Amino acid sequence: GQQLNQSPQSMFIQEGEDVSMNCTSSSIFNTWLWYKQDPGEGPVLLIALYKAGELTSNGRLTAQFGITRKDSFLNISASIPSDVGIYFCAGRHGGTSYGKLTFGQGTILTVHP
Amino acid sequence: DSGVTQTPKHLITATGQRVTLRCSPRSGDLSVYWYQQSLDQGLQFLIQYYNGEERAKGNILERFSAQQFPDLHSELNLSSLELGDSALYFCASSVASHGSEQYFGPGTRLTVT
Repeated sequence: GQQLNQSPQSMFIQEGEDVSMNCTSSSIFNTWLWYKQDPGEGPVLLIALYKAGELTSNGRLTAQFGITRKDSFLNISASIPSDVGIYFCAGRHGGTSYGKLTFGQGTILTVHP
Repeated sequence: DSGVTQTPKHLITATGQRVTLRCSPRSGDLSVYWYQQSLDQGLQFLIQYYNGEERAKGNILERFSAQQFPDLHSELNLSSLELGDSALYFCASSVASHGSEQYFGPGTRLTVT
């Protein structure tokens, strides 16, 4: 099935560093979302974006809805060990697709203390 | 805790068998979504129900079916199971039929032997 192109696939960083990851698509989305998944758990919603150009923060996390509506970015500032996990972007077309979400392949984040 | 519950947590069964996965949405949510997560395909949307009616369908196999009951809980039925059906199956819920902010349950890990 269709997936979003998410990069990087994995990141190994030191505690305190900032992190950036992004997602691109060949098609336009009406909504972009970012989720985090810990091993053995379900994805947890971090940030939802609804308008092109929108910049939204949730604590140390900041995400942006790309102006072209075909991409989105997530930044994590001053990383800490509990940021470890897999981060997924997801897009929703809307319309007759209703709530169907298309997910990226995920970015595996490892934070070294 | 997202408020979405799924049972069972783990399921081990043999090829050719049929299983039923159960999901209870968050209180007040009318939409239920089913997703499959596997190593090779990632997170894939299967199907969405809103207030008892099917709303959107993804790449769901004909051997798979779902329904949403009047009390809003949902069941995903998987039949004639194959080895390749082994995966994590997640249920998510949202308030609206075009729900972007979907909250995921802890998942059911299905192993087909």
